[in-house]
Amino acid sequence: NAGVTQTPKFRVLKTGQSMTLLCAQDMNHEYMYWYRQDPGMGLRLIHYSVGEGTTAKGEVPDGYNVSRLKKQNFLLGLESAAPSQTSVYFCASTGPASSYEQYFGPGTRLTVT
Amino acid sequence: DQQVKQNSPSLSVQEGRISILNCDYTNSMFDYFLWYKKYPAEGPTFLISISSIKDKNEDGRFTVFLNKSAKHLSLHIVPSQPGDSAVYFCAASNSNYQLIWGAGTKLIIKP
Repeated sequence: NAGVTQTPKFRVLKTGQSMTLLCAQDMNHEYMYWYRQDPGMGLRLIHYSVGEGTTAKGEVPDGYNVSRLKKQNFLLGLESAAPSQTSVYFCASTGPASSYEQYFGPGTRLTVT
Repeated sequence: DQQVKQNSPSLSVQEGRISILNCDYTNSMFDYFLWYKKYPAEGPTFLISISSIKDKNEDGRFTVFLNKSAKHLSLHIVPSQPGDSAVYFCAASNSNYQLIWGAGTKLIIKP
């Protein structure tokens, strides 16, 4: 039982490059989330999903896209990376039985130069 | 507009003493509150929560108090231990499975 896993753990991109971050959970959770964490700030919600095939915008969605083709996976894409997207990205999941408690992956540290 | 605020960026406490971390919120529709703990290079992990129908919840050394009239909650850790050194986040939900997060408080436990 791995919980929530994220791939990759670290990445350095040049401005304008694209990449996809992968999140996988093995807890059969309905809800999945992508956050970014920047120094001095709390976690900010980028996009989320309430079930397979559904996605919705969070607080800071610009510059990102997501897909949830399978219940256990939630992908975050950066089509044209910008230095402002340098951050630590966390994926989380939860389900109706979890009382709003979200389970987090270990994070992906992304640097855009 | 920050709906959840943790006004102390850091807090230093002697080992064995009580640590008190504070959190204020502005949205009266929040009905569930959670505390998370985060170590460097790891994801946040759930610590303790409280429903708005309660004013206190206890789990071992950790107690969360909720004052709805003041829109304030606090996390008490007694006694504080070196392993408690981490960043603590307060989060709130209004029953829609989304959490609004505070900026975090870095707790340092001095030996």
